[in-house]
Amino acid sequence: EAGVAQSPRYKIIEKRQSVAFWCNPISGHATLYWYQQILGQGPKLLIQFQNNGVVDDSQLPKDRFSAERLKGVDSTLKIQPAKLEDSAVYLCASSLSKTRGNYEQYFGPGTRLTVT
Amino acid sequence: SQKIEQNSEALNIQEGKTATLTCNYTNYSPAYLQWYRQDPGRGPVFLLLIRENEKEKRKERLKVTFDTTLKQSLFHITASQPADSATYLCALRLNRDDKIIFGKGTRLHILP
Repeated sequence: EAGVAQSPRYKIIEKRQSVAFWCNPISGHATLYWYQQILGQGPKLLIQFQNNGVVDDSQLPKDRFSAERLKGVDSTLKIQPAKLEDSAVYLCASSLSKTRGNYEQYFGPGTRLTVT
Repeated sequence: SQKIEQNSEALNIQEGKTATLTCNYTNYSPAYLQWYRQDPGRGPVFLLLIRENEKEKRKERLKVTFDTTLKQSLFHITASQPADSATYLCALRLNRDDKIIFGKGTRLHILP
């Protein structure tokens, strides 16, 4: 079974530039998550999708971050404009529908973003 | 305030011994608690889940306990091996609003 795919793996941009990350979850997984993980910290949930609908985006800085999940499969996370404090690893994870009681999350390798 | 605390410093354990990692939380009401392993440059990997009405779960050399009175989970690795060296994260899924909250993680070093 293929895992969660993310691209790019690394990205370096200057502050005020924009950047986009892509995630392809495991086939059949209805729930998709984007996390931000700052060095030395645990992952922080940014947004959670159930199919193509947003379940929780309470910690997403909506003035600069946006995310979409078209057709309930792939997802993109965008930052515009980027700030220095956005430097982090952005992790995508997926899980089977929570209505089935299965909450195990499968994570991708992450995208390491450096904002200079 | 709400907090999740894991062993703040790295943990060094001699190979063959049991490693015990702690996850304490305050002012949360979790539906369940998960433990993940994270290696450098990789995403977390799910290990075990324990529900609020369960006291203990086992999987091979791993054991998790969950005490909702003490608001604490303990994660044990028995017969530890150098390959067990990694960062271990605990995560709570909350009853209230189904949010997922991760701790900072504990770096575990198994010394040969």
